[in-house]
Amino acid sequence: GAGVSQSPSNKVTEKGKDVELRCDPISGHTALYWYRQSLGQGLEFLIYFQGNSAPDKSGLPSDRFSAERTGGSVSTLTIQRTQQEDSAVYLCASSFFGRANTGELFFGEGSRLTVL
Amino acid sequence: GDSVTQMEGPVTLSEEAFLTINCTYTATGYPSLFWYVQYPGEGLQLLLKATKADDKGSNKGFEATYRKETTSFHLEKGSVQVSDSAVYFCALDSGYALNFGKGTSLLVTP
Repeated sequence: GAGVSQSPSNKVTEKGKDVELRCDPISGHTALYWYRQSLGQGLEFLIYFQGNSAPDKSGLPSDRFSAERTGGSVSTLTIQRTQQEDSAVYLCASSFFGRANTGELFFGEGSRLTVL
Repeated sequence: GDSVTQMEGPVTLSEEAFLTINCTYTATGYPSLFWYVQYPGEGLQLLLKATKADDKGSNKGFEATYRKETTSFHLEKGSVQVSDSAVYFCALDSGYALNFGKGTSLLVTP
């Protein structure tokens, strides 16, 4: 489709396991964002990519979290040694803009992660 | 840093009631302001935006005016419908990302 695609839509994992979440942005969008949506916490900014580079990684909650983007397109968010507090919906968004002007973000439907 | 604060929910209204969801911002400059909406089972989508002071954003009967004097961007609708039931997020442009509020859940009953 033409929208932002995320997979898996649902992931249940055991504490201590690693997980990978994938985001396929809208074609031609240079900026890509990861947010985390937890109950009662709203949307928490994690990381932003402009092309393949990530100018700002300050939102990543710990060094267990990492993200990469290759070819200026698909991005993967990896959480190592998952903890129960990592349970949340992970949202990906893309934008034609970036840098000095964010503009409108187009969101995927999210990946719901449950850590048992 | 730049941030937004929006009213706590949930908000429950009867159909055709007037809606106001308050949002105030803290920023060093005058960032663009946005309202996003998340309908049940769907992803967030842009509802409306305003890029400078005194601008009014509007869409689907919703309106919000960028007020510099009160640093506010309150969302209003004159007559809500059951289909407006959703979570509404206020956001501001930090220059490379959007900073979102915690969201306000709205339930409209028939």
